[in-house]
Amino acid sequence: AQSVTQLDSQVPVFEEAPVELRCNYSSSVSVYLFWYVQYPNQGLQLLLKYLSGSTLVKGINGFEAEFNKSQTSFHLRKPSVHISDTAEYFCAVSDFYNFNKFYFGSGTKLNVKP
Amino acid sequence: GAVVSQHPSWVICKSGTSVKIECRSLDFQATTMFWYRQFPKQSLMLMATSNEGSKATYEQGVEKDKFLINHASLTLSTLTVTSAHPEDSSFYICSARGGSHEQYFGPGTRLTVT
Repeated sequence: AQSVTQLDSQVPVFEEAPVELRCNYSSSVSVYLFWYVQYPNQGLQLLLKYLSGSTLVKGINGFEAEFNKSQTSFHLRKPSVHISDTAEYFCAVSDFYNFNKFYFGSGTKLNVKP
Repeated sequence: GAVVSQHPSWVICKSGTSVKIECRSLDFQATTMFWYRQFPKQSLMLMATSNEGSKATYEQGVEKDKFLINHASLTLSTLTVTSAHPEDSSFYICSARGGSHEQYFGPGTRLTVT
């Protein structure tokens, strides 16, 4: 079975600073990787996904992530954050044989300070 | 883009009553829909997977007689919490998948059982 680890439960950062949210996964088969953002009392919105091809994936709102197979990581980055980026971010993984089932990390709360 | 709606967004009910939550895919046909439960400040836990016209597949530990799922059409799935108790209070989120590996999430329904 797959598992996802988001080591940082909270990440405080000042506005316009760069940020990296870490995500590591474990799986014995090929995986599909996703980052979602959740604003308070709302559902999840897809930021970006890796299915295959280029390991550097660009998403919405200026976010990008890099798939590193050797390190089993899919860290999310943004070069300059805004106050509006304050939200909960979830990393998720599914696999080639059971892509219906998403395994979510525990989430990272990004708190952007002015 | 693909839009998934949920109704109601917030519901309060008395202990012992049943509550129905609707999940609709508004602009695409969802071959598969998923129901998640999210506890405060925690990640999403998959409860069940439903395919149109067939019985839902429940995750281990989820009571199928308590959480009734019906996927009546390619655009509608319902979750009925039967004989609700305060411990059923939670944020319930549905998602829908069309032909791709991506899941599109609804805005969630907050259930409070008094």
